[in-house]
Amino acid sequence: GAGVSQTPSNKVTEKGKYVELRCDPISGHTALYWYRQSLGQGPEFLIYFQGTGAADDSGLPNDRFFAVRPEGSVSTLKIQRTERGDSAVYLCASSLTAGFTDTQYFGPGTRLTVL
Amino acid sequence: LAKTTQPISMDSYEGQEVNITCSHNNIATNDYITWYQQFPSQGPRFIIQGYKTKVTNEVASLFIPADRKSSTLSLPRVSLSDTAVYYCLVARGTDKLIFGTGTRLQVFP
Repeated sequence: GAGVSQTPSNKVTEKGKYVELRCDPISGHTALYWYRQSLGQGPEFLIYFQGTGAADDSGLPNDRFFAVRPEGSVSTLKIQRTERGDSAVYLCASSLTAGFTDTQYFGPGTRLTVL
Repeated sequence: LAKTTQPISMDSYEGQEVNITCSHNNIATNDYITWYQQFPSQGPRFIIQGYKTKVTNEVASLFIPADRKSSTLSLPRVSLSDTAVYYCLVARGTDKLIFGTGTRLQVFP
């Protein structure tokens, strides 16, 4: 079946603008995760959804970052007033069940560039 | 969650076996050892997970000694396509995954 998909694959924006990044998880997967990856670094956890609710949002760097998953499937990561330091690859992953020991299936990521 | 330490980089040649060792001295009873692989411009991909002793699948083997303070990912007969970054993680059901910088494996012809 289809894997995790993310749109857009690339997003270029200007400092101060608002952006939305979309994640389509594998159908039937309960859990959904967002990560951010900077060049040369491993993915950094942002937020984790169990169904529709955010079970752990401790990785969101500040209140400019927000994510939703209203119907327990597709998720949107929203970044307000973007800053140059937000430039990174944003990765989404999903897993069949909740819990971090379950295999996470990652999408290809969205490369965000803030000019 | 237990911190992991692994080599920054390793080089190998096609056809050789590659062993990447990871230390996790503070691993807890409920923690699992998990490895992911990441190719450039792709998201990480799960390779293998284990709790103790040895686990083998079609891609790799994972060796975990009795004290569980370290683990070794073994890739048999690597090919050029195994060139990637390999992440060792300690996973606990309730805690987020923490990826370090991983081990960058370069396979030469």
